Amino acid sequence: QSALTQPPSVSGSPGQSVTISCTGTSSDVGSYNRVSWYQQPPGTAPKLMIYEVSNRPSGVPDRFSGSKSGNTASLTISGLQAEDEADYYCSSYTSSSTYVFGTGTKVTVL
Amino acid sequence: QVTLRESGPALVKPTQTLTLTCTFSGFSLSTSGMCVSWIRQPPGKALEWLALIDWDDDKYYSTSLKTRLTISKDTSKNQVVLTMTNMDPVDTATYYCARMRGSCYSGGWFDPWGQGTLVTVSS
Repeated sequence: QSALTQPPSVSGSPGQSVTISCTGTSSDVGSYNRVSWYQQPPGTAPKLMIYEVSNRPSGVPDRFSGSKSGNTASLTISGLQAEDEADYYCSSYTSSSTYVFGTGTKVTVL
Repeated sequence: QVTLRESGPALVKPTQTLTLTCTFSGFSLSTSGMCVSWIRQPPGKALEWLALIDWDDDKYYSTSLKTRLTISKDTSKNQVVLTMTNMDPVDTATYYCARMRGSCYSGGWFDPWGQGTLVTVSS
């Protein structure tokens, strides 16, 4: 199972919006609405930000949103804030009853 | 409040077997629908899913690592154990356990995660 493809890095100024893509295949992202996103500041454990493509857990700011089209899922951070600077990973369930993570994206707030 | 904590050796030698324990609280792995996963992250690299065990003792493994992994649970102790055989320096990573939400069978998500434990493989 190959990792889902994410851009290595994205950046934006405070207040701007950034979007992170997560490209898989018809065996994972394309077939299941079981895509989730995780935020990982340096030296910390990942934290769930989005589940089932577009659902936010309680406590996650509404500036985080998720979507999916075909084999590609996306995470958008609107109104970027300094505290959003972190690594972000997507994850998907697969047709092999396993899970696959993305390659990770570093978000930099300029 | 749900918490998980990983424990195990910080250093193992090549070819040895690694045994890691995830001790959790705030939920029971005897409850229908509950499951726990192990995930690892080599230094500076991406996350990699390893294995999952559910309340009914069904187990799922990473396709690429399944011959080396064994996951088990001790419901009375609220623990999940992962063993990985034939350790190699490339297995150096932080190993996390996480409770799974959603469906163990048709896809879920990882929440919350333990703090992780760094395992270094070196002679």
